[in-house]
Amino acid sequence: EVQLVESGGGLVQPGGSLRLSCAASGFSFSSYWMSWVRQAPGTGLEWVANIKVDGREQYYVDSVKGRFTISRDNAKNSVYLQMNSLRAEDTAVYYCARDLVVRGVITSFDCWGQGTLVTVSA
Amino acid sequence: EIVMTQSPASLSVSPGERATLSCRASQSLGSNLAWYQQKPGQAPRLLIYGASTRATGIPARFSGSGSGTEFTLTISSLQSEDFAVYYCQQYNNWPPGFTFGPGTQVDIK
Repeated sequence: EVQLVESGGGLVQPGGSLRLSCAASGFSFSSYWMSWVRQAPGTGLEWVANIKVDGREQYYVDSVKGRFTISRDNAKNSVYLQMNSLRAEDTAVYYCARDLVVRGVITSFDCWGQGTLVTVSA
Repeated sequence: EIVMTQSPASLSVSPGERATLSCRASQSLGSNLAWYQQKPGQAPRLLIYGASTRATGIPARFSGSGSGTEFTLTISSLQSEDFAVYYCQQYNNWPPGFTFGPGTQVDIK
């Protein structure tokens, strides 16, 4: 069974840092691009970042560039999101998701974790 | 930046009836569109990619159509488990990113 389990969320003050982790199982992790997608309370979905199979390419939504860093450890079947200089508007449930690649194109996200809540507040 | 809109914002449908949800893009996507279902307290679930290809395990009552800037998700006969929020998502301009629509809430009438 494919499974993604996030951890590391919590309450942090504005300007603080937090590191999210996502542990994958049930599939060949090192063969998949991975993403983080967030959802602010009561709102829609926002893609945050993704990382190539070997970790050599990363892409980010403009609002987190320079503050967030996505990384992975294929030996540990894990992907991470280091979040620095956190703002109130970063408050959200953060989901780890597996990218679905079709004929060389990332199309969508076909497996999701249960999410971890990040709250940025004084 | 590609902006996604969805209509209606909410929809009340009786079980067994058809539901038709719309998604519009601010510029042409070709067929580079996906649909998701999200129930309260749960992660999203991929339904459709490539505008019309059902993801693994998705029932045939879910179908997607459209191309360019106008897309439709049709649920042919709503079941009790289909009441949820539905999001569209474009992947035409990656890199750099992917964009979701604001969602359509499908409620029981």
